[in-house]
Amino acid sequence: AQSVTQPDIHITVSEGASLELRCNYSYGATPYLFWYVQSPGQGLQLLLKYFSGDTLVQGIKGFEAEFKRSQSSFNLRKPSVHWSDAAEYFCATKMTTDSWGKLQFGAGTQVVVTP
Amino acid sequence: GAVVSQHPSWVICKSGTSVKIECRSLDFQATTMFWYRQFPKQSLMLMATSNEGSKATYEQGVEKDKFLINHASLTLSTLTVTSAHPEDSSFYICSASHRAYGYTFGSGTRLTVV
Repeated sequence: AQSVTQPDIHITVSEGASLELRCNYSYGATPYLFWYVQSPGQGLQLLLKYFSGDTLVQGIKGFEAEFKRSQSSFNLRKPSVHWSDAAEYFCATKMTTDSWGKLQFGAGTQVVVTP
Repeated sequence: GAVVSQHPSWVICKSGTSVKIECRSLDFQATTMFWYRQFPKQSLMLMATSNEGSKATYEQGVEKDKFLINHASLTLSTLTVTSAHPEDSSFYICSASHRAYGYTFGSGTRLTVV
């Protein structure tokens, strides 16, 4: 069965420090991969996505993610976090054969930013 | 482009009453719309997938008669929670998909049943 794993439920990082959020998927083929951010009481905002091509993807708000097929991973990174980056982050995948069908979400990682 | 408007953003209702939540794609015609439920500190749980003019496809364990989904047009889908009870209190989020825009999410609806 397809699955998405975000190993870290909660991460605390100092403002200005780097951030890396892990995401692993299990599929036979390469799925479409997404990272979303959710502020409290809000919907989801797309940070970036990977479909194919260059495995290093640039997103909004200074985020980037790298797809590594050998590790079945799609980790999200930011070189220097800002207090406004405190939020819940979700990794999601979609099977490429299912055109714009349902997404499979990871459990999410809550990011806390300390001064 | 690709904006999804969800209303209301929050609602409080009495136990036994029904509540309707609307999800509109404002500047595009959504191929498919999805409804999710999210409990505090948890991930999104897909409830159902709907295509315009078709019956919704519900995920296993989701009660079709309690969570009525109507997708009458390419820009509007509604979720009606019928005979709501306190255990239905949750955060409900809709999403619309389009081959050009991908997935766009609404801002969510906080339902509290008292």
